[in-house]
Amino acid sequence: QKEVEQNSGPLSVPEGAIASLNCTYSDRGSQSFFWYRQYSGKSPELIMFIYSNGDKEDGRFTAQLNKASQYVSLLIRDSQPSDSATYLCAVNLGGKSSGDKLTFGTGTRLAVRP
Amino acid sequence: DAGVIQSPRHEVTEMGQEVTLRCKPISGHDYLFWYRQTMMRGLELLIYFNNNVPIDDSGMPEDRFSAKMPNASFSTLKIQPSEPRDSAVYFCASSYKIRAAGYTFGSGTRLTVV
Repeated sequence: QKEVEQNSGPLSVPEGAIASLNCTYSDRGSQSFFWYRQYSGKSPELIMFIYSNGDKEDGRFTAQLNKASQYVSLLIRDSQPSDSATYLCAVNLGGKSSGDKLTFGTGTRLAVRP
Repeated sequence: DAGVIQSPRHEVTEMGQEVTLRCKPISGHDYLFWYRQTMMRGLELLIYFNNNVPIDDSGMPEDRFSAKMPNASFSTLKIQPSEPRDSAVYFCASSYKIRAAGYTFGSGTRLTVV
């Protein structure tokens, strides 16, 4: 089992729809969770982070965390063609060996159709 | 702040040659990370430093790879000798209080070994 898993996609949604991106992680002791967006040929950029169970909203983006199910998701409301990118889930896994590093999933490619 | 600065942006080298990648982290950040990204394996952590000290180098593929951080504003990743399978995008990232804010990535170095 991979430590951080994402569906590679592509996830295709029409403009204006809600895009739902999902991520599961293996370590129950994981503390903090991050979503990065990466446009083709560019570096990852941080969109949101979440530490507590529940929802966290920032503009059109909502991060959802369920530690019992070891599941974190990102919702993008009113999707725009400019949201088309690869979305990377990153987790600070629990345990001494993980320290301060983030483990990344392989990303989900999102395509928003005009 | 200029962000995390990496050089060169692109590097094409012949197999067997030495390659040196450079990184200047954001001033005040006390963590520095080197990642490698490929289509097949996604983002893989190679090594990270805290206050210029290597903390975890378990991701360094083999002895051909080495990394140094002689001071708080500069780090290098060296590959000697380089091989075609080293071709990838190498990202440097820095952070302060990782659990609070995640990382900021540099623009990356695209390495091609022919």
